[in-house]
Amino acid sequence: NAGVMQNPRHLVRRRGQEARLRCSPMKGHSHVYWYRQLPEEGLKFMVYLQKENIIDESGMPKERFSAEFPKEGPSILRIQQVVRGDSAAYFCASSPGTRGNEQFFGPGTRLTVL
Amino acid sequence: AQSVSQHNHHVILSEAASLELGCNYSYGGTVNLFWYVQYPGQHLQLLLKYFSGDPLVKGIKGFEAEFIKSKFSFNLRKPSVQWSDTAEYFCAVLFSGGYNKLIFGAGTRLAVHP
Repeated sequence: NAGVMQNPRHLVRRRGQEARLRCSPMKGHSHVYWYRQLPEEGLKFMVYLQKENIIDESGMPKERFSAEFPKEGPSILRIQQVVRGDSAAYFCASSPGTRGNEQFFGPGTRLTVL
Repeated sequence: AQSVSQHNHHVILSEAASLELGCNYSYGGTVNLFWYVQYPGQHLQLLLKYFSGDPLVKGIKGFEAEFIKSKFSFNLRKPSVQWSDTAEYFCAVLFSGGYNKLIFGAGTRLAVHP
């Protein structure tokens, strides 16, 4: 059973460009979470999605950031008009159910904004 | 606000030394508690978790943690560390009423010297 897959592993963008980060959850998992890790900080929750629904986006910046988890295909975290402060590691996790279920993490996408 | 504190940001030990990493959280309600480990170049892996029952939890690789409700603490311990334990360790808490989002501490970087 493959783990959580994320791609790309490394992404370089210039200021003002768009970044699209993809996450494929573990087989059988319908819950996806995105976290961001800034340098020298712990992981910060961004958004929690189930198939076709955003359940909790309390950690998402109000502008430029969006997330989706369509019925078919991976979850996408989209950052429009990136700025240097968006440089971070973005981790995706998945779980089979709700509260208390272990979240399995992917390898992360390291975004560098030049 | 719900928060998680890890007291030591950097720890350096010699092999065979004992390890204790502190973790405290801010909230007095029902919590689920986790320790994750991130080895160099790898993704987060679950070391152990506490949901209920015996407050002394055994995890993988000889790690254990003790939940002390009165102190809002969940410290991680290992009696004798190995060079291969060099990694970053994250404490995470699932607070009641917070859907399924994990609140992470800032992490502790452990370096074990042979």
